[in-house]
Amino acid sequence: NAGVMQNPRHLVRRRGQEARLRCSPMKGHSHVYWYRQLPEEGLKFMVYLQKENIIDESGMPKERFSAEFPKEGPSILRIQQVVRGDSAAYFCASSPLDRSPYGYTFGSGTRLTVV
Amino acid sequence: KQEVTQIPAALSVPEGENLVLNCSFTDSAIYNLQWFRQDPGKGLTSLLLIQSSQREQTSGRLNASLDKSSGRSTLYIAASQPGDSATYLCAVSNNAGNMLTFGGGTRLMVKP
Repeated sequence: NAGVMQNPRHLVRRRGQEARLRCSPMKGHSHVYWYRQLPEEGLKFMVYLQKENIIDESGMPKERFSAEFPKEGPSILRIQQVVRGDSAAYFCASSPLDRSPYGYTFGSGTRLTVV
Repeated sequence: KQEVTQIPAALSVPEGENLVLNCSFTDSAIYNLQWFRQDPGKGLTSLLLIQSSQREQTSGRLNASLDKSSGRSTLYIAASQPGDSATYLCAVSNNAGNMLTFGGGTRLMVKP
């Protein structure tokens, strides 16, 4: 069991480019959550997805950010026209159920740097 | 809106000391509480998970307690070691939703 896999581990983008972050949940987990950790700040919830459905996107910025979890393949967090303020660590977590009694397993994160 | 606070924000101790890290939350209607460890530049490692109906969980030198009614949890680390140096994060999962709300963390340094 490889755990929650995120790639790339590090991503550098110039202002205005697009960033695509990928997350493969643990085997058997169908619930994916994205969190963002800005420099010197705590982790903040962004979005919760199940296969082909966005369940809760209350933490997502209204513009430029989108997420998907297709029937096949990893979950993708997409940031269009990146700005310096998007530089952060983006973490993905997965669980086998919603409101999991087993807690959440996190990936190692993708560190996005916008130059 | 749930808010989670961790005290102290940073802690530096000599090796061998027993430590208590504190976590408080404003909404007692939680589903469970999870303690994580984060090493610099790394991901989150789950340490202990306490269900809302439980009062404590233990794993090795770690013991976490939960007092849901007062909105508090403590993480007790016995006989601290330099390898325990990391940031410790407390996170609660609410009954109302599926997201975790994190505290700001306690940055722990254990000196040899």
